[in-house]
Amino acid sequence: GAVVSQHPSRVICKSGTSVKIECRSLDFQATTMFWYRQFPKKSLMLMATSNEGSKATYEQGVEKDKFLINHASLTLSTLTVTSAHPEDSSFYICSANPGQENSPLHFGNGTRLTVT
Amino acid sequence: GQNIDQPTEMTATEGAIVQINCTYQTSGFNGLFWYQQHAGEAPTFLSYNVLDGLEEKGRFSSFLSRSKGYSYLLLKELQMKDSASYLCAPMDSNYQLIWGAGTKLIIKP
Repeated sequence: GAVVSQHPSRVICKSGTSVKIECRSLDFQATTMFWYRQFPKKSLMLMATSNEGSKATYEQGVEKDKFLINHASLTLSTLTVTSAHPEDSSFYICSANPGQENSPLHFGNGTRLTVT
Repeated sequence: GQNIDQPTEMTATEGAIVQINCTYQTSGFNGLFWYQQHAGEAPTFLSYNVLDGLEEKGRFSSFLSRSKGYSYLLLKELQMKDSASYLCAPMDSNYQLIWGAGTKLIIKP
């Protein structure tokens, strides 16, 4: 079945540094990938839609310059958290749709980011 | 606006049956998904309903009534490993999934 790989699974960084999270579709091509953030005991919040070959579409309230998204190929999207702050500590999850618009999303395993 | 309503938490006994209800309001509708999420992990796909009625898949079944904006997930023969959060996620007219906080299901022996 469709597999989405996300790396790293956990990362700890210091305030002010940047962290890059990778999301790969391993056995299918994904023109669109989604990036979510989830705080403990809260719902998944869509941050942005990553579009291959074009700019990402950000949800309201998500800072484009802080959460940089690059979707350079049909199998890879990256999210870079720039100048990280402790309040950016969260669980970040990517997902991709392997086929038709109403087929289920497949999720990466998520990245636990802790900013100290 | 768009919103999802699910119970925050439910408790059931191993071997029993539990039904998790979900009501929703969305701008347009392109089906409804149920996902399972264990603590600290990403969600995994359970089921998809786009037409009214019951979809059965092993121990799990999902029901949809579009006119009522209502769905439920039915879990049979509960196992301890079924302890997780269950997320009801309808898809709106833009093919965006709308997420609620999910229902935390606790299974007791």
